[in-house]
Amino acid sequence: AQSVTQLGSHVSVSEGALVLLRCNYSSSVPPYLFWYVQYPNQGLQLLLKYTSAATLVKGINGFEAEFKKSETSFHLTKPSAHMSDAAEYFCAVSEAGAGSYQLTFGKGTKLSVIP
Amino acid sequence: DGGITQSPKYLFRKEGQNVTLSCEQNLNHDAMYWYRQDPGQGLRLIYYSQIVNDFQKGDIAEGYSVSREKKESFPLTVTSAQKNPTAFYLCASSIDTLGNTIYFGEGSWLTVV
Repeated sequence: AQSVTQLGSHVSVSEGALVLLRCNYSSSVPPYLFWYVQYPNQGLQLLLKYTSAATLVKGINGFEAEFKKSETSFHLTKPSAHMSDAAEYFCAVSEAGAGSYQLTFGKGTKLSVIP
Repeated sequence: DGGITQSPKYLFRKEGQNVTLSCEQNLNHDAMYWYRQDPGQGLRLIYYSQIVNDFQKGDIAEGYSVSREKKESFPLTVTSAQKNPTAFYLCASSIDTLGNTIYFGEGSWLTVV
């Protein structure tokens, strides 16, 4: 069974500082991996997706994530935080099972950006 | 604009009443999903449907029911059997259930008093 662990339910960074949100997964087969962002009282918006084409995936709003199979990690980074990045971020893994892919989410990391 | 529309955004109901949340998509997606979100819990899958007239239970289906009579629509009924129904409910869809991106609606807040 697949699972996702996001280290740190809350992360605070200063505006302009590096953003690093950690995600580790467990999967018995090569998975699809996703990062979503959620602003208050809204749905989830896709930031980026890993599909095995390249280990470094670039997404929207300057975010990127690197797939490291040996570490079973898919950490999300952004070189310079902006106030508008304050939101909750979810890592998710999709793995084939019983004829369909099921998406499993981590519990989320809330990012605060300090001016 | 293409997208997923959930209604209502906010809903209040008395304990013991059934309530139905609407979800409509015009993306021509075959697969649709309902997730429940509680603070600090992430998203948990309630039901999903791979095609019209077919649906499967997710991880927390007890106390919920769905139907998929039309490709565009996937309503969720929260029944009185659901012990803790107060939550944020998210509807989603994807082209299929073979690893393609899942797109989300704006969510519905249900408060049971």
